Amino acid sequence: ETGVTQTPRHLVMGMTNKKSLKCEQHLGHNAMYWYKQSAKKPLELMFVYNFKEQTENNSVPSRFSPECPNSSHLFLHLHTLQPEDSALYLCASSQDLVDRGRSTEAFFGQGTRLTVV
Amino acid sequence: GDSVTQMEGPVTLSEEAFLTINCTYTATGYPSLFWYVQYPGEGLQLLLKATKADDKGSNKGFEATYRKETTSFHLEKGSVQVSDSAVYFCALNQAGTALIFGKGTTLSVSS
Repeated sequence: ETGVTQTPRHLVMGMTNKKSLKCEQHLGHNAMYWYKQSAKKPLELMFVYNFKEQTENNSVPSRFSPECPNSSHLFLHLHTLQPEDSALYLCASSQDLVDRGRSTEAFFGQGTRLTVV
Repeated sequence: GDSVTQMEGPVTLSEEAFLTINCTYTATGYPSLFWYVQYPGEGLQLLLKATKADDKGSNKGFEATYRKETTSFHLEKGSVQVSDSAVYFCALNQAGTALIFGKGTTLSVSS
């Protein structure tokens, strides 16, 4: 149990479907992240939220839409995806991103294995 | 921008062999350095970390020393086990930024 829970663990969706990935953390953290992990490619940072505000969007296509209603929950809404979007989507959290001259580690969920058909 | 480079895998070892996985970084300022491990079908778990030069992170028999002069953070273990088979990621961050990861190194240990 890492304190970060992602649901569902596996998802198969068609290219015309709309689905959402959910992430919940019970660590009292204020920063949350979405990463994409594809085969043979490095981990790609997609979105960053700090105190519910989006602070980073790494040129992610608009078919991925994040939502952070509070510091404990993060969603990734998916619509009209492409087969190349099939990957493991990882959620993570950390204490925060306030620039106090310190940095903290991130804690990861187990990921959602997404297959687009 | 900041970046992390780690040795390409896969690394294949016999049980009880010595392990080294090289990691070097490029960064402005003074980053914190991390090693994460990912077991099959799982997310990433923090293995160890070091927050300043000459710090040594250690956990579960793994060690890494923050070497500012060589901008390195190599992962070592004296005697690997089959259960250590996994993908290992070197990472860094600085205050105010998200983690930046290397490409990962797959370790396979056989009995």
